[in-house]
Amino acid sequence: SAVISQKPSRDICQRGTSLTIQCQVDSQVTMMFWYRQQPGQSLTLIATANQGSEATYESGFVIDKFPISRPNLTFSTLTVSNMSPEDSSIYLCSVDGDRVDEQYFGPGTRLTVT
Amino acid sequence: GENVEQHPSTLSVQEGDSAVIKCTYSDSASNYFPWYKQELGKRPQLIIDIRSNVGEKKDQRIAVTLNKTAKHFSLHITETQPEDSAVYFCAATLPGGYQKVTFGTGTKLQVIP
Repeated sequence: SAVISQKPSRDICQRGTSLTIQCQVDSQVTMMFWYRQQPGQSLTLIATANQGSEATYESGFVIDKFPISRPNLTFSTLTVSNMSPEDSSIYLCSVDGDRVDEQYFGPGTRLTVT
Repeated sequence: GENVEQHPSTLSVQEGDSAVIKCTYSDSASNYFPWYKQELGKRPQLIIDIRSNVGEKKDQRIAVTLNKTAKHFSLHITETQPEDSAVYFCAATLPGGYQKVTFGTGTKLQVIP
Protein backbone atom coordinates (compact mmCIF):
# COMPACT_ATOMS: atom_id res chain seq x y z
CA SER A 1 0.00 0.00 0.00
CA ALA A 2 0.98 3.63 -0.47
CA VAL A 3 3.07 5.52 2.07
CA ILE A 4 1.11 8.52 3.29
CA SER A 5 2.49 11.42 5.28
CA GLN A 6 0.84 14.44 6.83
CA LYS A 7 2.18 17.78 7.98
CA PRO A 8 2.05 19.05 10.61
CA SER A 9 1.66 16.08 12.93
CA ARG A 10 0.21 18.35 15.56
CA ASP A 11 -0.39 22.01 16.19
CA ILE A 12 -1.86 24.34 18.77
CA CYS A 13 -3.62 27.32 17.24
CA GLN A 14 -5.49 30.35 18.47
CA ARG A 15 -9.14 30.81 17.71
CA GLY A 16 -9.86 32.85 14.62
CA THR A 17 -6.77 31.69 12.76
CA SER A 18 -6.46 29.13 9.97
CA LEU A 19 -4.29 26.05 9.57
CA THR A 20 -3.42 24.22 6.37
CA ILE A 21 -2.74 20.49 6.63
CA GLN A 22 -0.79 18.75 3.94
CA CYS A 23 -1.15 15.15 2.76
CA GLN A 24 1.53 13.59 0.60
CA VAL A 25 1.46 10.13 -0.99
CA ASP A 26 4.45 8.31 -2.45
CA SER A 27 2.49 7.12 -5.49
CA GLN A 28 -0.25 8.48 -7.69
CA VAL A 29 -3.74 7.90 -6.39
CA THR A 30 -7.09 8.74 -7.88
CA MET A 31 -9.04 9.63 -4.79
CA MET A 32 -8.03 11.35 -1.59
CA PHE A 33 -10.31 11.83 1.38
CA TRP A 34 -10.30 14.03 4.45
CA TYR A 35 -11.75 12.86 7.75
CA ARG A 36 -12.22 14.36 11.17
CA GLN A 37 -11.94 12.32 14.35
CA GLN A 38 -12.96 14.18 17.47
CA PRO A 39 -11.46 12.99 20.76
CA GLY A 40 -12.63 9.48 21.58
CA GLN A 41 -15.02 9.47 18.65
CA SER A 42 -15.42 7.79 15.31
CA LEU A 43 -14.29 9.05 11.92
CA THR A 44 -16.43 11.46 9.93
CA LEU A 45 -15.83 12.12 6.25
CA ILE A 46 -15.36 15.79 5.50
CA ALA A 47 -14.86 15.66 1.75
CA THR A 48 -13.54 13.71 -1.19
CA ALA A 49 -10.89 15.30 -3.38
CA ASN A 50 -10.20 14.18 -6.92
CA GLN A 51 -7.47 15.77 -8.97
CA GLY A 52 -8.76 18.31 -11.44
CA SER A 53 -12.17 18.77 -9.91
CA GLU A 54 -13.80 20.53 -7.02
CA ALA A 55 -13.92 18.64 -3.76
CA THR A 56 -17.20 16.97 -2.81
CA TYR A 57 -18.27 17.91 0.71
CA GLU A 58 -20.40 15.85 3.06
CA SER A 59 -23.41 17.21 4.85
CA GLY A 60 -22.40 19.57 7.61
CA PHE A 61 -19.11 20.59 6.02
CA VAL A 62 -18.71 23.61 3.74
CA ILE A 63 -15.98 24.83 1.46
CA ASP A 64 -15.64 28.20 3.19
CA LYS A 65 -14.74 26.46 6.45
CA PHE A 66 -12.71 23.58 5.01
CA PRO A 67 -11.23 24.58 1.65
CA ILE A 68 -9.41 21.73 -0.05
CA SER A 69 -6.87 21.69 -2.83
CA ARG A 70 -5.81 18.73 -4.98
CA PRO A 71 -3.20 20.06 -7.39
CA ASN A 72 -1.87 16.66 -8.51
CA LEU A 73 -2.22 12.92 -8.00
CA THR A 74 0.08 12.73 -4.95
CA PHE A 75 -0.83 15.77 -2.86
CA SER A 76 -3.76 17.47 -1.18
CA THR A 77 -4.31 20.14 1.45
CA LEU A 78 -7.12 20.79 3.88
CA THR A 79 -7.45 24.21 5.48
CA VAL A 80 -9.37 24.65 8.70
CA SER A 81 -10.49 28.27 8.60
CA ASN A 82 -11.48 30.73 11.31
CA MET A 83 -10.91 28.08 13.95
CA SER A 84 -12.81 27.69 17.18
CA PRO A 85 -12.19 25.27 20.06
CA GLU A 86 -14.85 22.98 18.54
CA ASP A 87 -12.46 22.35 15.66
CA SER A 88 -10.04 20.61 18.00
CA SER A 89 -9.76 17.16 16.46
CA ILE A 90 -7.53 14.77 14.63
CA TYR A 91 -7.68 15.36 10.89
CA LEU A 92 -6.79 12.39 8.72
CA CYS A 93 -6.33 12.03 5.03
CA SER A 94 -6.85 8.73 3.30
CA VAL A 95 -6.28 7.45 -0.19
CA ASP A 96 -7.81 4.74 -2.30
CA GLY A 97 -5.92 1.47 -2.43
CA ASP A 98 -5.18 -1.01 -5.16
CA ARG A 99 -8.47 -2.82 -4.68
CA VAL A 100 -11.81 -1.15 -5.34
CA ASP A 101 -13.18 0.73 -2.33
CA GLU A 102 -10.08 0.20 -0.15
CA GLN A 103 -8.86 3.20 1.81
CA TYR A 104 -5.62 3.69 3.70
CA PHE A 105 -5.08 6.42 6.22
CA GLY A 106 -2.33 8.89 6.87
CA PRO A 107 -0.94 9.35 10.40
CA GLY A 108 -3.24 12.27 11.18
CA THR A 109 -2.82 15.84 12.36
CA ARG A 110 -3.78 16.56 15.95
CA LEU A 111 -5.18 20.08 16.14
CA THR A 112 -5.86 21.91 19.37
CA VAL A 113 -7.57 25.30 19.21
CA THR A 114 -7.28 27.54 22.26
CA GLY B 1 -27.99 8.43 4.18
CA GLU B 2 -26.25 5.38 5.57
CA ASN B 3 -26.26 4.76 9.32
CA VAL B 4 -23.95 2.22 10.96
CA GLU B 5 -24.48 1.02 14.51
CA GLN B 6 -21.75 -0.88 16.34
CA HIS B 7 -21.89 -2.95 19.54
CA PRO B 8 -20.53 -3.28 22.11
CA SER B 9 -18.79 0.01 22.77
CA THR B 10 -16.32 -1.71 25.10
CA LEU B 11 -15.30 -5.33 25.36
CA SER B 12 -12.95 -7.04 27.78
CA VAL B 13 -11.81 -10.61 27.21
CA GLN B 14 -9.21 -12.90 28.71
CA GLU B 15 -6.20 -13.67 26.58
CA GLY B 16 -6.96 -16.69 24.44
CA ASP B 17 -10.69 -16.15 24.40
CA SER B 18 -12.67 -15.02 21.37
CA ALA B 19 -14.08 -11.55 20.75
CA VAL B 20 -17.06 -10.65 18.58
CA ILE B 21 -18.04 -7.17 17.45
CA LYS B 22 -21.31 -6.59 15.66
CA CYS B 23 -22.48 -3.90 13.26
CA THR B 24 -25.71 -3.13 11.47
CA TYR B 25 -26.21 -0.85 8.53
CA SER B 26 -29.29 0.83 7.15
CA ASP B 27 -28.77 1.23 3.41
CA SER B 28 -29.15 -2.03 1.52
CA ALA B 29 -27.16 -0.53 -1.35
CA SER B 30 -23.93 -0.64 0.70
CA ASN B 31 -21.67 -3.25 -0.82
CA TYR B 32 -18.27 -3.04 0.87
CA PHE B 33 -17.63 -3.47 4.59
CA PRO B 34 -14.12 -2.82 5.92
CA TRP B 35 -12.90 -3.18 9.48
CA TYR B 36 -10.22 -0.91 10.91
CA LYS B 37 -8.06 -1.30 14.00
CA GLN B 38 -6.83 1.86 15.68
CA GLU B 39 -4.24 1.66 18.42
CA LEU B 40 -3.89 4.56 20.80
CA GLY B 41 -2.38 7.55 19.02
CA LYS B 42 -2.08 5.71 15.72
CA ARG B 43 -3.84 5.80 12.40
CA PRO B 44 -6.72 3.42 11.59
CA GLN B 45 -5.42 0.30 9.85
CA LEU B 46 -7.47 -1.83 7.50
CA ILE B 47 -7.44 -5.35 8.90
CA ILE B 48 -10.09 -7.18 6.90
CA ASP B 49 -12.98 -6.41 4.59
CA ILE B 50 -15.88 -8.16 2.94
CA ARG B 51 -17.96 -7.44 -0.12
CA SER B 52 -21.67 -7.94 -0.46
CA ASN B 53 -21.33 -10.99 -2.71
CA VAL B 54 -19.51 -12.94 0.02
CA GLY B 55 -20.89 -14.30 3.28
CA GLU B 56 -17.68 -14.93 5.20
CA LYS B 57 -14.00 -14.18 4.96
CA LYS B 58 -11.11 -15.35 7.14
CA ASP B 59 -7.56 -14.19 7.62
CA GLN B 60 -5.68 -16.17 10.25
CA ARG B 61 -7.26 -15.31 13.62
CA ILE B 62 -9.78 -12.82 12.30
CA ALA B 63 -12.94 -13.42 10.33
CA VAL B 64 -15.83 -11.33 9.15
CA THR B 65 -19.36 -12.49 8.41
CA LEU B 66 -22.06 -10.67 6.48
CA ASN B 67 -25.81 -11.20 6.50
CA LYS B 68 -27.17 -9.00 3.71
CA THR B 69 -30.77 -9.84 4.43
CA ALA B 70 -30.52 -8.71 8.02
CA LYS B 71 -27.98 -5.98 7.19
CA HIS B 72 -25.62 -7.28 9.86
CA PHE B 73 -21.90 -7.89 9.75
CA SER B 74 -19.56 -9.04 12.47
CA LEU B 75 -15.86 -9.25 13.28
CA HIS B 76 -14.60 -12.37 15.03
CA ILE B 77 -11.18 -12.53 16.65
CA THR B 78 -10.08 -15.92 17.96
CA GLU B 79 -7.26 -16.73 20.39
CA THR B 80 -7.00 -13.09 21.39
CA GLN B 81 -3.64 -11.66 22.35
CA PRO B 82 -2.75 -8.51 24.31
CA GLU B 83 -1.65 -6.85 21.06
CA ASP B 84 -5.24 -7.13 19.82
CA SER B 85 -6.17 -4.44 22.35
CA ALA B 86 -7.30 -1.40 20.35
CA VAL B 87 -10.39 0.38 19.09
CA TYR B 88 -12.07 -1.38 16.20
CA PHE B 89 -14.28 0.42 13.68
CA CYS B 90 -16.63 -1.15 11.22
CA ALA B 91 -17.72 0.74 8.14
CA ALA B 92 -20.14 0.48 5.26
CA THR B 93 -19.46 1.83 1.78
CA LEU B 94 -22.04 2.87 -0.78
CA PRO B 95 -21.21 2.17 -4.41
CA GLY B 96 -20.49 4.95 -6.80
CA GLY B 97 -17.66 7.19 -7.80
CA TYR B 98 -16.95 8.78 -4.43
CA GLN B 99 -16.58 5.78 -2.07
CA LYS B 100 -18.94 7.19 0.52
CA VAL B 101 -17.85 5.46 3.73
CA THR B 102 -19.80 5.59 6.97
CA PHE B 103 -18.05 4.41 10.11
CA GLY B 104 -19.49 2.79 13.17
CA THR B 105 -18.96 4.30 16.59
CA GLY B 106 -16.11 2.01 17.54
CA THR B 107 -15.46 -0.82 20.02
CA LYS B 108 -12.67 -0.57 22.55
CA LEU B 109 -11.31 -4.07 22.97
CA GLN B 110 -9.18 -4.90 25.97
CA VAL B 111 -7.43 -8.26 26.10
CA ILE B 112 -6.44 -9.11 29.65
CA PRO B 113 -3.24 -11.15 29.95
